Amino acid sequence: AQSVTQLGSHVSVSEGALVLLRCNYSSSVPPYLFWYVQYPNQGLQLLLKYTTGATLVKGINGFEAEFKKSETSFHLTKPSAHMSDAAEYFCAVSDQGSSYKLIFGSGTRLLVRP
Amino acid sequence: SAVISQKPSRDICQRGTSLTIQCQVDSQVTMMFWYRQQPGQSLTLIATANQGSEATYESGFVIDKFPISRPNLTFSTLTVSNMSPEDSSIYLCSPRLAGVPNEQFFGPGTRLTVL
Repeated sequence: AQSVTQLGSHVSVSEGALVLLRCNYSSSVPPYLFWYVQYPNQGLQLLLKYTTGATLVKGINGFEAEFKKSETSFHLTKPSAHMSDAAEYFCAVSDQGSSYKLIFGSGTRLLVRP
Repeated sequence: SAVISQKPSRDICQRGTSLTIQCQVDSQVTMMFWYRQQPGQSLTLIATANQGSEATYESGFVIDKFPISRPNLTFSTLTVSNMSPEDSSIYLCSPRLAGVPNEQFFGPGTRLTVL
């Protein structure tokens, strides 16, 4: 069965500092990988996704993630944090079968200090 | 992309009653997923609904508690039956759109509080 592990339920960074949110997955087949962001009292918004091709994926708001098969990881980074990045971030995995259903990690709350 | 709306956006209900949540999409949907997000938790898949067939429920969820309808390609409902305080959650519909492979979109959610 697929699973997703997000290390750190809370991550705190200073404004302008590097953001690194960790995500590891387990899957018996090459998965599709996603990062979603959820701002307070709002729905989920897709940040970026990896399906095939280039392993470094660029998303919205300056975020990017790299698929590393050997490490079964899909960590999310942003070079310089902004106050508006404060939100909950979810990593998710889906299989390539007929269901394509998403399995979510537990989420990481990003706090940005002024 | 698509415009996805959910009704109601929030509700406060009494124990033992039922609530039907509507999800409307302005594009054709191939598959509809319903998720639950309990307070402070991640998202958990309740069921997958294809038009014209019975919904497929995940472990821990049953049709009697969470009946789902999907009468056409752009609309679906989820009912939370015989509610208890443990059902207090945000419920989100998540359509997979025709012509947009490998991506799921999410509705704004319905915030349910059961007293």
